[in-house]
Amino acid sequence: NAGVTQTPKFQVLKTGQSMTLQCAQDMNHNSMYWYRQDPGMGLRLIYYSASEGTTDKGEVPNGYNVSRLNKREFSLRLESAAPSQTSVYFCASVSHPEAFFGQGTRLTVV
Amino acid sequence: AQTVTQSQPEMSVQEAETVTLSCTYDTSESNYYLFWYKQPPSRQMILVIRQEAYKQQNATENRFSVNFQKAAKSFSLKISDSQLGDTAMYFCAFILTADYGGSQGNLIFGKGTKLSVKP
Repeated sequence: NAGVTQTPKFQVLKTGQSMTLQCAQDMNHNSMYWYRQDPGMGLRLIYYSASEGTTDKGEVPNGYNVSRLNKREFSLRLESAAPSQTSVYFCASVSHPEAFFGQGTRLTVV
Repeated sequence: AQTVTQSQPEMSVQEAETVTLSCTYDTSESNYYLFWYKQPPSRQMILVIRQEAYKQQNATENRFSVNFQKAAKSFSLKISDSQLGDTAMYFCAFILTADYGGSQGNLIFGKGTKLSVKP
């Protein structure tokens, strides 16, 4: 049982490049989340998906898009990366009240 | 809107001593869960302890215990007999429970407290 698998673990992008962060869970949970973590800011919600086929904006959605491809997978896309998007990104899968986190992606935009 | 506030950005404690991390939250709802998560340098998010709002008894997990004051909207974490492995970021978090028993809204985090345990 892998739990929440998040890829890649590290990534360096140039300004303007695009990329997709992948997240998959094998626990059959309905709810999935994407957070970003910045020093002194805690974890802030980017987007969430309460169920397959639905997505909603969180606190900091600008510059990101998401896809809930199926119940297992919830991807986060940066269409044109900016230095302000340098952060650590976490995917989480929730079965109330338990939350299960991926290992995080450290993204650097230069 | 719900908020979580951790007023101590950094704390330090000597090994084997006791330390208390503070957390306050704001909500007008009555049914929710509160959590403390530990994040060591590995970045992994580890659940330390959780408390259901309807339970008056404070949760405990080995050396970790909470002081839950619902009226004051306070949820502090006490770490007894601190160990070097307790060095980490600690996040307080909150999630509402919907009438049907699932989540209402999102898991909301405080900004974190960086705890250093000194030998």
